[in-house]
Amino acid sequence: TQLLEQSPQFLSIQEGENLTVYCNSSSVFSSLQWYRQEPGEGPVLLVTVVTGGEVKKLKRLTFQFGDARKDSSLHITAAQPGDTGLYLCAGVRSGGSNYKLTFGKGTLLTVNP
Amino acid sequence: ETGVTQTPRHLVMGMTNKKSLKCEQHLGHNAMYWYKQSAKKPLELMFVYNFKEQTENNSVPSRFSPECPNSSHLFLHLHTLQPEDSALYLCASSQDGRGSYNEQFFGPGTRLTVL
Repeated sequence: TQLLEQSPQFLSIQEGENLTVYCNSSSVFSSLQWYRQEPGEGPVLLVTVVTGGEVKKLKRLTFQFGDARKDSSLHITAAQPGDTGLYLCAGVRSGGSNYKLTFGKGTLLTVNP
Repeated sequence: ETGVTQTPRHLVMGMTNKKSLKCEQHLGHNAMYWYKQSAKKPLELMFVYNFKEQTENNSVPSRFSPECPNSSHLFLHLHTLQPEDSALYLCASSQDGRGSYNEQFFGPGTRLTVL
């Protein structure tokens, strides 16, 4: 059983469309992060959310942390080809080791011109 | 150099070879990590070093041996690997491993192929 379930696993859309990807768990997290990974590179941190219900915006990307701190979503408005990549959510479990960051499998997003 | 660097970027080795992966961080961080990324699996944490001390060994086989001589450098020594060890090996660093945020900064990875 995956601790962090990401959906969808794959997403292929046209430039200009909007999309939402999800990161869900039955466990509570003290913080949750979103990363983007491009082919042949390591993940790059996009945002960290720590408060239940928190919403953070990064240009066309909107991140939300669920009220119960068990889930998160990433919404992209007017997607561009440069948004293509693997989107990973990761979190520190409440009561768990602060050294351990638990990762989901990721959503592979392709934005076609 | 800035951020986290890893060498080599690509490595092909036989099952009887011995090789080492190197990671260096230029961020002034105190915690460093090794992860394994395989297809269709989430990132798997292998080892954590905090202030040069190993604080996590996630049941990693002994054919993988980490070394952290100082807070800026991390090595992963490899010997008698198996083909299923082929993967992208990622190094990361964070300010330290004790904060609840644990924001990690990753290197580009070493793509390892074991023949």
